[in-house]
Amino acid sequence: AQSVTQPDIHITVSEGASLELRCNYSYGATPYLFWYVQSPGQGLQLLLKYFSGDTLVQGIKGFEAEFKRSQSSFNLRKPSVHWSDAAEYFCAVGAGSNTGKLIFGQGTTLQVKP
Amino acid sequence: GAGVSQSPSNKVTEKGKDVELRCDPISGHTALYWYRQSLGQGLEFLIYFQGNSAPDKSGLPSDRFSAERTGGSVSTLTIQRTQQEDSAVYLCASSPGLVNTDTQYFGPGTRLTVL
Repeated sequence: AQSVTQPDIHITVSEGASLELRCNYSYGATPYLFWYVQSPGQGLQLLLKYFSGDTLVQGIKGFEAEFKRSQSSFNLRKPSVHWSDAAEYFCAVGAGSNTGKLIFGQGTTLQVKP
Repeated sequence: GAGVSQSPSNKVTEKGKDVELRCDPISGHTALYWYRQSLGQGLEFLIYFQGNSAPDKSGLPSDRFSAERTGGSVSTLTIQRTQQEDSAVYLCASSPGLVNTDTQYFGPGTRLTVL
């Protein structure tokens, strides 16, 4: 069965520092992969997604993610974090080629220090 | 344009009561999803509607949970005989439904508290 693991429950970085959030997935075929962000009191918003082609994907708000099949990973990165990036981040994998439902990781809470 | 809306935003109920949660998807979106977000369980898929196809109910945790989608638009998630473990935020999402990589647009959620 498909699954997603986000090893870091909570991460704190200083404003202006670089960020990497880890995501590992389990899926038998080429996965559809997504990163969503949930700010306090807000709904989930898509940051970026991968389903084919270039393994380095650019998203909104300066985020990018790299699909590495050999490591079953889809880590999210940002070169310089802003205080407004403090939120909860969810990695997700599509549950199969014949469905749009998503399997989410447990989420990583990002705290940004001034 | 309008996004996905959900009502009520908060619902407090007593154990054993039935509750109905409503979702209004983005106009024209044929796919609609319900997820549940709870402490310790993260975000769980509940049910998926795609056009006129039979819904995928594989994520519903028990037969106390049901959902319908009327006229291919508004959806209602019903929980019968609520239990304390049903306390969670219930999220609805919709997508154009053209391909499985479509972006899902999420509503703000309904926070359900079962006393």
